[in-house]
Amino acid sequence: NAGVTQTPKFRVLKTGQSMTLLCAQDMNHEYMYWYRQDPGMGLRLIHYSVGEGTTAKGEVPDGYNVSRLKKQNFLLGLESAAPSQTSVYFCASSYGQVYQETQYFGPGTRLLVL
Amino acid sequence: AQSVAQPEDQVNVAEGNPLTVKCTYSVSGNPYLFWYVQYPNRGLQFLLKYITGDNLVKGSYGFEAEFNKSQTSFHLKKPSALVSDSALYFCAVRDLMDSNYQLIWGAGTKLIIKP
Repeated sequence: NAGVTQTPKFRVLKTGQSMTLLCAQDMNHEYMYWYRQDPGMGLRLIHYSVGEGTTAKGEVPDGYNVSRLKKQNFLLGLESAAPSQTSVYFCASSYGQVYQETQYFGPGTRLLVL
Repeated sequence: AQSVAQPEDQVNVAEGNPLTVKCTYSVSGNPYLFWYVQYPNRGLQFLLKYITGDNLVKGSYGFEAEFNKSQTSFHLKKPSALVSDSALYFCAVRDLMDSNYQLIWGAGTKLIIKP
């Protein structure tokens, strides 16, 4: 049982390049989330999904897109990277019991945009 | 608007002493409250949560937290700190009245336990 995994672990991009971050979970969780973590700001929710084929915007969705084609995978895309998107990105998942669920986090992806 | 405040950026405690990491919140309805810990270069790990019932909640690694409705606080505590407790601690809240499935996170408190 690997839990929540993220690929890649680290990536350097040039401004304007695109990339996709992959999150996978093997716990059969319904809900999945993408966060970014910046110093002194805690976690901010980018997008989330409450089930296969559904996505919704979080607190800071601009510049990102997501897809949940399979229940176990949640992809985060950057179409045209900007230096402001330099951050650590965390994926999380939960069973989906509204209000009471514990979120399980992946190890993170460090992204540097030059 | 919902919010969470962790008033201390950093807390320094000597090993063996009790520790407290503070958290206050603001929500419209009843809160669901969480504490998570992040070790260096790792993802966040769940420590404990308050949903309802007993105001004193016990969690992993000997941590506990006390829900205080009148003070809108949910401070994390441990009677005797270990060097291995050194990490970044996050408080989070969800408002029962909020139809979005989102946690609101504090900025985090760095806990340093000195031998």
